[in-house]
Amino acid sequence: SQTIHQWPATLVQPVGSPLSLECTVEGTSNPNLYWYRQAAGRGLQLLFYSVGIGQISSEVPQNLSASRPQDRQFILSSKKLLLSDSGFYLCAWSVWGTSEAFFGQGTRLTVV
Amino acid sequence: ILNVEQSPQSLHVQEGDSTNFTCSFPSSNFYALHWYRWETAKSPEALFVMTLNGDEKKKGRISATLNTKEGYSYLYIKGSQPEDSATYLCALSEYGNKLVFGAGTILRVKS
Repeated sequence: SQTIHQWPATLVQPVGSPLSLECTVEGTSNPNLYWYRQAAGRGLQLLFYSVGIGQISSEVPQNLSASRPQDRQFILSSKKLLLSDSGFYLCAWSVWGTSEAFFGQGTRLTVV
Repeated sequence: ILNVEQSPQSLHVQEGDSTNFTCSFPSSNFYALHWYRWETAKSPEALFVMTLNGDEKKKGRISATLNTKEGYSYLYIKGSQPEDSATYLCALSEYGNKLVFGAGTILRVKS
């Protein structure tokens, strides 16, 4: 069966510090991978999605970036965090050619 | 940019009340519509995926309908219970790949 792992679960970082959130999927090959964010009082905003290794599409201009160094690994990064980066970050995967997404447990990021 | 709108933003009902939410989307390039249920501190849970105009899906007390020609979907909850309290998310897929979510409807059921 397929599983998705996302870590850490919670993170408190100072403004200007770097960020690295990691997500890995097991039990499937060549998944579509996604990073979503929920800011306070808002729904899920698609940040990045990837259909293959090294292929990243950015949906929203911001100081975040994503990378996919391996087929089932998706990393969300920032060189310098802003207060506005605080929120709940979710990684998700779907089978290529379908759209039903399966989510990780999420990371609560607080930038102070 | 694909825009998915949900209404109302939040809803407070009494236990036993029936309720419904709306998801609106552009009807062109439609591929599939999804409903998710999202409880605090948990992962969103898929409820339904619908692809055909006129689709109706049901799971227990929750059901959903789809109208792709006019660009809307309804989610119904019959006899709301406190455990139904959650954020209900609607998401649209255009070509079988990325999902674009609406802002969600927050449901609170009081006992």
